[in-house]
Amino acid sequence: QSALTQPRSVSGSPGQSVTISCTGTSSDVGGYNYVSWYQQHPGKAPKFMIYDVSKRPSGVPDRFSGSKSGNTASLTISGLQAEDEADYFCCSYAGSYTWVFGGGTKLTVL
Amino acid sequence: QVQLVESGGGVVQPGGSLRLSCATSGFTFSNFGMHWVRQAPGRGLEWVAFIRFDGTHISYADSVKGRFTISRDISKNTLHLQLNSLRPEDTAVYYCAKDRRVTSTGGFDYWGQGTLVTVSS
Repeated sequence: QSALTQPRSVSGSPGQSVTISCTGTSSDVGGYNYVSWYQQHPGKAPKFMIYDVSKRPSGVPDRFSGSKSGNTASLTISGLQAEDEADYFCCSYAGSYTWVFGGGTKLTVL
Repeated sequence: QVQLVESGGGVVQPGGSLRLSCATSGFTFSNFGMHWVRQAPGRGLEWVAFIRFDGTHISYADSVKGRFTISRDISKNTLHLQLNSLRPEDTAVYYCAKDRRVTSTGGFDYWGQGTLVTVSS
């Protein structure tokens, strides 16, 4: 149950696009199409942003998109806005009713 | 609307015990799996425990196996987490989270506000 690997931080200017990677193994990210992403603002609970690698729950802007290639999943945020500045966490199902999160990525909007 | 409200956190000495609760409303509690996820101060999220929608399967992270016990009271729509043999490294905000779908593979769509557990002498 090792944590998925995410970059510690990424940054971008308003209107630009950023991509956050999430690398696991064939036992989690690579083995299932069950990657989800969460946004967390300081002092707040995580917010559900993406599920099943690339699906958006209702209410999540289409500026947020997800994808996966092999053992690496990615979250792309296009048209960056100031309110997107937050921590982002990926999560993957890892089989046998266990889950693993990434270490988190701090997004700074310059 | 769906609501999850945790309670029971506090300060406890190493080796001590605590029982967390998560009161739920706004959905049919018995139709969805539930999880506990924790976050140590300044750190990332860590999945802790899961109970399947029908109660037939329970699982734990290796870091808490044998010390923590997840349970639920269907009659009260409440999820619990019993924390025993607590260690300083268990200090964290503990969140309860709801499965998006019955198969438990669709992510965690609703979260509580969290309850802080501090293990310190």
